[in-house]
Amino acid sequence: QKEVEQNSGPLSVPEGAIASLNCTYSDRGSQSFFWYRQYSGKSPELIMFIYSNGDKEDGRFTAQLNKASQYVSLLIRDSQPSDSATYLCAFRGGGFKTIFGAGTRLFVKA
Amino acid sequence: GAVVSQHPSWVICKSGTSVKIECRSLDFQATTMFWYRQFPKQSLMLMATSNEGSKATYEQGVEKDKFLINHASLTLSTLTVTSAHPEDSSFYICSARITSGFQETQYFGPGTRLLVL
Repeated sequence: QKEVEQNSGPLSVPEGAIASLNCTYSDRGSQSFFWYRQYSGKSPELIMFIYSNGDKEDGRFTAQLNKASQYVSLLIRDSQPSDSATYLCAFRGGGFKTIFGAGTRLFVKA
Repeated sequence: GAVVSQHPSWVICKSGTSVKIECRSLDFQATTMFWYRQFPKQSLMLMATSNEGSKATYEQGVEKDKFLINHASLTLSTLTVTSAHPEDSSFYICSARITSGFQETQYFGPGTRLLVL
């Protein structure tokens, strides 16, 4: 079992819709979770981090964490074509290393 | 967010030469930096963890004698790809860890694209 599982996609949504990205992780001891966005040919950019169960909202982005079920999700409201990118889920594992998922490709159609 | 720079952004070199990539934290001190490699359409692969003032910790399968890491100051880590070969061509990305209380996040540099001919 991979440490971080993400659907590779592509996930295609129309402009203005809600994009829902999901991620599951294997380490029950993880306390810190992150979502990064990576445009093609660019390095990852931190979008959100979440440490507590529940929802955390920042603008059009909402991160949801459920430690009991070991999943974390990212909702993007009012999706824009500029949101088209690969979204990486990550958590901080042992030894202070951050474990990254392979990413989900999102396409927002104009 | 915190700013991390990398230099150079692009490198093209001949097989057998060595290439040095710099990673700097511009507005904060980073005792720990990370070096990643990413091949096209693949996920990030952690190569090593760079700790200021001590030896780097390499991931399994990464040759420490080929990928030399030096973290001589709290704002600078360097990765030297020694005797580069075409299979070393990749996107090399560094990140710096920043802590605030118990919270900790990583910020990435813009990456260095290496092409070995």
